[in-house]
Amino acid sequence: GENVEQHPSTLSVQEGDSAVIKCTYSDSASNYFPWYKQELGKRPQLIIDIRSNVGEKKDQRIAVTLNKTAKHFSLHITETQPEDSAVYFCAASQGNDMRFGAGTRLTVKP
Amino acid sequence: EAEVAQSPRYKITEKSQAVAFWCDPISGHATLYWYRQILGQGPELLVQFQDESVVDDSQLPKDRFSAERLKGVDSTLKIQPAELGDSAMYLCASQPRLRGADTEAFFGQGTRLTVV
Repeated sequence: GENVEQHPSTLSVQEGDSAVIKCTYSDSASNYFPWYKQELGKRPQLIIDIRSNVGEKKDQRIAVTLNKTAKHFSLHITETQPEDSAVYFCAASQGNDMRFGAGTRLTVKP
Repeated sequence: EAEVAQSPRYKITEKSQAVAFWCDPISGHATLYWYRQILGQGPELLVQFQDESVVDDSQLPKDRFSAERLKGVDSTLKIQPAELGDSAMYLCASQPRLRGADTEAFFGQGTRLTVV
């Protein structure tokens, strides 16, 4: 089955700096790669996703890149703000079979 | 806005007791997942249903865990007997079935289980 690895497990940045979280996946058949944000005590919620026919996608301060050949994808957050502090999870999915990475705890220091 | 409903939100149980969690997915969603999330870690898949059928339960500890989705709608996850190591958040998620394209999974609020 699919195996998703996520790095780093914790990330601390200064407000205004950029943050990058990286994931690798094992199943070349995976074709959908969502990123979820989970604030303390809340449910994971989708913040951005990318499909295998696209190399990059951007939504305001958030962008995701996908390298299918290398089987890795990354989340980029620019101009970070304290409210970006949360746990971020990547996932890889194929045929409605979604597997998650272990998560990255992002702390943005004011 | 439609949401995945889970109950109870919190459950405290003594070890060796039985406990059950309930999930009602978004109407029309064919795929239902149960995940276990230990504090600070990513969701770990326990079982996946497509309609009423189990697609993947390879990570479900079947000696104590069971899950069902009899009518292909709501689902129940049971633990019997509960152990201290089962303390975690149990998340339910659902996904619509779209021909040829995966899509977002929607999560419920989760059930936080504490085994004492």
